[in-house]
Amino acid sequence: EAQVTQNPRYLITVTGKKLTVTCSQNMNHEYMSWYRQDPGLGLRQIYYSMNVEVTDKGDVPEGYKVSRKEKRNFPLILESPSPNQTSLYFCASSLRALNTEAFFGQGTRLTVV
Amino acid sequence: QQQVKQSPQSLIVQKGGISIINCAYENTAFDYFPWYQQFPGKGPALLIAIRPDVSEKKEGRFTISFNKSAKQFSLHIMDSQPGDSATYFCAASTASKLTFGTGTRLQVTL
Repeated sequence: EAQVTQNPRYLITVTGKKLTVTCSQNMNHEYMSWYRQDPGLGLRQIYYSMNVEVTDKGDVPEGYKVSRKEKRNFPLILESPSPNQTSLYFCASSLRALNTEAFFGQGTRLTVV
Repeated sequence: QQQVKQSPQSLIVQKGGISIINCAYENTAFDYFPWYQQFPGKGPALLIAIRPDVSEKKEGRFTISFNKSAKQFSLHIMDSQPGDSATYFCAASTASKLTFGTGTRLQVTL
């Protein structure tokens, strides 16, 4: 089954404790991206990658890091999480560019206390 | 700065009625305008999309109307059903960026 898989689905952590949210797709898509969803703000792009070893900032990149060492994986790293990073996070992938259908993962609900 | 403005924030429609959600954008570089549907606990899923060279696209009960000169587009859901109750996001995209509206929570009542 074609899918985007995120782990974990739920995470509660403390301020400053480094964490990684994993994202993997099995569709051989070139494009992957991360979004955060907050009430009243919709989804905002954090980082994106147009191919292996190619990443760039989205609209809200502060406090986040990403890497794209393999085509299928695109982890999101929070080096020192803060409470304002409490949010619902989604990973997405597209075949090539973003102006085609994007497939989203199930989401990761992160709470930073 | 919200590049894609969506309204209304919430919408209640009776079963069988027409649901209409509107969006406006600013960036003329956008060349793909999808609508995503999101159910609670799930990720968004593509519902229907349009490119700016056409003014309307229909798929079943769902229609996108697109006005390039006004930089506006809308989603019409005909014969709305309780199963359509979800949050709907309009979006606008270039090759590298997908910008979402703030979402509309649709409730279809019996």
